[in-house]
Amino acid sequence: DIQMTQSPSSLSASVGDRVTITCRASQSIPSTYLNWYQQKPGKAPNLLIYGASSLQVGVPSRFSGSGSGTDFTLTISSLQPEDLATYYCQQSHIARTFGQGTKVEIK
Amino acid sequence: EVQLVESGGGLIQPGGSLRLSCAASGFSVSTNYMSWVRQVPGQGLEWVSVIYSDGSPYYANSVKGRFTISRDNSKNTLFLQINSLRADDTAVYYCARTHVQMNTLDYLDLWGQGTLVTVSS
Repeated sequence: DIQMTQSPSSLSASVGDRVTITCRASQSIPSTYLNWYQQKPGKAPNLLIYGASSLQVGVPSRFSGSGSGTDFTLTISSLQPEDLATYYCQQSHIARTFGQGTKVEIK
Repeated sequence: EVQLVESGGGLIQPGGSLRLSCAASGFSVSTNYMSWVRQVPGQGLEWVSVIYSDGSPYYANSVKGRFTISRDNSKNTLFLQINSLRADDTAVYYCARTHVQMNTLDYLDLWGQGTLVTVSS
């Protein structure tokens, strides 16, 4: 199985801050098979980014993704109060596995 | 409206069986890949199973042999049969539409609200 490791596990940032979350795969994966999801408290997950860098329709442009091989990044360019959530990376190259999640809190 | 609605969760004793349902509207489950993902309360997401549009099922190693994914095209509904339930199967179970472009993209673009399964005596 491909293991996905996110860092940090949690972070606290101020409104307007730039936030970066990292996802590392245990083996190289095509970037087309790396996705990011946002899960707000008490809600189902929601697709943010697919194929490492493509923004899902309706997702604000302050979210962006990048990376290749084993290292991928989700960036929020200017953190907003509504971004309070847990963020998960997911690979779908071999079976499908999620990272353990990164909880984003607002200072 | 395009949506997924899960049902069938509840309190079940260890060793029991349960069938979860996921009713789709606004699109056809038969022409899409459909997945199940579960989440232990307070913990992360775990992919469980997928059924391809050709009917082929695939499972996470952790549930292989106890879980069965299926669908009823006439009812536009996805199912997950869970046998020999254990305490560590306690979780919210989500169904999700899986968007696939062969050899390129594969992501979960539509999720249901989830149904809670609690395994306890």
